[in-house]
Amino acid sequence: AQSVAQPEDQVNVAEGNPLTVKCTYSVSGNPYLFWYVQYPNRGLQFLLKYITGDNLVKGSYGFEAEFNKSQTSFHLKKPSALVSDSALYFCAVRESSSASKIIFGSGTRLSIRP
Amino acid sequence: DVKVTQSSRYLVKRTGEKVFLECVQDMDHENMFWYRQDPGLGLRLIYFSYDVKMKEKGDIPEGYSVSREKKERFSLILESASTNQTSMYLCASSKGQLAYEQYFGPGTRLTVT
Repeated sequence: AQSVAQPEDQVNVAEGNPLTVKCTYSVSGNPYLFWYVQYPNRGLQFLLKYITGDNLVKGSYGFEAEFNKSQTSFHLKKPSALVSDSALYFCAVRESSSASKIIFGSGTRLSIRP
Repeated sequence: DVKVTQSSRYLVKRTGEKVFLECVQDMDHENMFWYRQDPGLGLRLIYFSYDVKMKEKGDIPEGYSVSREKKERFSLILESASTNQTSMYLCASSKGQLAYEQYFGPGTRLTVT
């Protein structure tokens, strides 16, 4: 069965420093991977996805994610964090039995201190 | 822009009541989803629909039912609300049968007392 794991419940970073939010996955077949963000009191927003091709995927708000097949990871990164990046981040993977369904990780709360 | 709206942001109901949560999307998407979000558990899929009048159970369908009579509208029904159904409920939609991203509504925070 497909699954994703976000090993950190919380990540704390100083503004201006690079940030990484970790995600590992387990799938049968080719992975289709996603990152979503949830700002306070708002619904989830799509950030980026990996389907195929370049291992470095660029998304919204300056975020990027690196797909690593050998380590089965899809970590979210940003070179310079902003206080406004503070939010809850979810990694997700497509369910192989249904192209429309995706499975979400438990979420990582990112806190950027000024 | 895709817009997914949910009928209520906050809802308080009593145990045993029948509860209706409504979701409407305006982008002619084929797929619609209902999730519940609980701290530390992420999002868990309750039901989804890939076409009008079609539905499939997700991971936690017990205690819930759904209705999709029109393409743009997907309703979640709690037949007899219980306190363990207190949660944030999120509706989403996506197009087609490929791995397209999902678009989410703002959520309904339901409290069952």
